[in-house]
Amino acid sequence: DQQVKQNSPSLSVQEGRISILNCDYTNSMFDYFLWYKKYPAEGPTFLISISSIKDKNEDGRFTVFLNKSAKHLSLHIVPSQPGDSAVYFCAAKGSGNTGKLIFGQGTTLQVKP
Amino acid sequence: NAGVMQNPRHLVRRRGQEARLRCSPMKGHSHVYWYRQLPEEGLKFMVYLQKENIIDESGMPKERFSAEFPKEGPSILRIQQVVRGDSAAYFCASSNQVPSGNTIYFGEGSWLTVV
Repeated sequence: DQQVKQNSPSLSVQEGRISILNCDYTNSMFDYFLWYKKYPAEGPTFLISISSIKDKNEDGRFTVFLNKSAKHLSLHIVPSQPGDSAVYFCAAKGSGNTGKLIFGQGTTLQVKP
Repeated sequence: NAGVMQNPRHLVRRRGQEARLRCSPMKGHSHVYWYRQLPEEGLKFMVYLQKENIIDESGMPKERFSAEFPKEGPSILRIQQVVRGDSAAYFCASSNQVPSGNTIYFGEGSWLTVV
């Protein structure tokens, strides 16, 4: 019962181009969606989040888009840099009095110089 | 990740031994979460604690696993009689209130290897 899915295990892009990471979810009660970046042997680092009442949030090179009707969100990184190479996790938070996050399986992004 | 301290970073245990993982939340945070990441998988929620209370343990295996967050000291995730399948990375996260978005911070993780 995978409530949050990242269907692409890996993605490779050229430096300077756009990286688009995708995430699908099944539970319409999620109220926040978050993206984390993770390097090997380290903990996840928060990147950007979006409330379920918004459809776009932008922070520097990172933009997250939310399509509630399709239960789909995406993270755009532009321009991509070699230092962006990492595993990216999509996570969803349930509504109400909980901080519990449901994570996707992750997408490994490789940005080639 | 600064502020959420986990130790040990790496732990090796023989089958049947006990493993204790510790987490000191970020200063001022009273909410602690434990997650487990098995090889090639995403992070899976285990338990959510506030000081002296378990709020949500829906992700905890029914046997051998327990967690606490005492009034004083770090949160402890305890695994009794470890088996090879317990080998994983265990991540602790903390927040200062029920988070609305970007207020959950993760530690660097504890890697448990069961031999």
